[in-house]
Amino acid sequence: EVQLVESGGGLVQPGGSLRLSCAASGFTFSSYVMSWVRQAPGKGLEWVSGISVSGGSTYYSDSVKGRFTISRDNSENTLYLQMNSLRAEDTAVYFCAKTVTTTWSFDYWGQGTLVTVSS
Amino acid sequence: DIQMTQSPSSVSASVGDRVTIACRASQGISSWLAWYQQKPGKAPKLLIYAASTLQSGVPSRFSGSGSGTDFTLTISSLQPEDFATYYCQQANSFPLTFGGGTKVEIK
Repeated sequence: EVQLVESGGGLVQPGGSLRLSCAASGFTFSSYVMSWVRQAPGKGLEWVSGISVSGGSTYYSDSVKGRFTISRDNSENTLYLQMNSLRAEDTAVYFCAKTVTTTWSFDYWGQGTLVTVSS
Repeated sequence: DIQMTQSPSSVSASVGDRVTIACRASQGISSWLAWYQQKPGKAPKLLIYAASTLQSGVPSRFSGSGSGTDFTLTISSLQPEDFATYYCQQANSFPLTFGGGTKVEIK
């Protein structure tokens, strides 16, 4: 059974940093591109970042480019999102998501972890 | 960036109704489109990918069509468990983008 379990969310002050983790199991993690998607309270879905199977290629939304860094550890089956210079508008539930083979559609999602940026 | 526009933003329907949700891309995305269902407090669930491919385990009352810029999600006979918010997503190019969502409510 595919499982994605996010952790690392919490309350942080504006300008602060946080690192999210996503522990994957039930599939060959190193064979799939992965992404982070977020959802602000009461709002729609927003793709944040994606990473290739090797980690050699990374992709970001304009809203987080230069502040967030996605990475992965295929030996530990874990996806990461390092978030720096956090802003109030980054407040959201952050989901990690596994892609369907050969597409950038997402067939499995974690339960999400809440990040709140507030003073 | 490719903008994804869904319509309507909400629809009221009864059990057994046929429901159609539209999604328009601001530029051509071939068939690189997915549809998701999301219920309150839950993660999204993939329904359709590549515009018309039904994800494993998804009931056959869900179907997707379209290519280029115009796409449709159809629920042929609405069931009680289908009341939720539905999102389209383009998977053609970065940044990946979602539509604003369509809430399917009980009439």
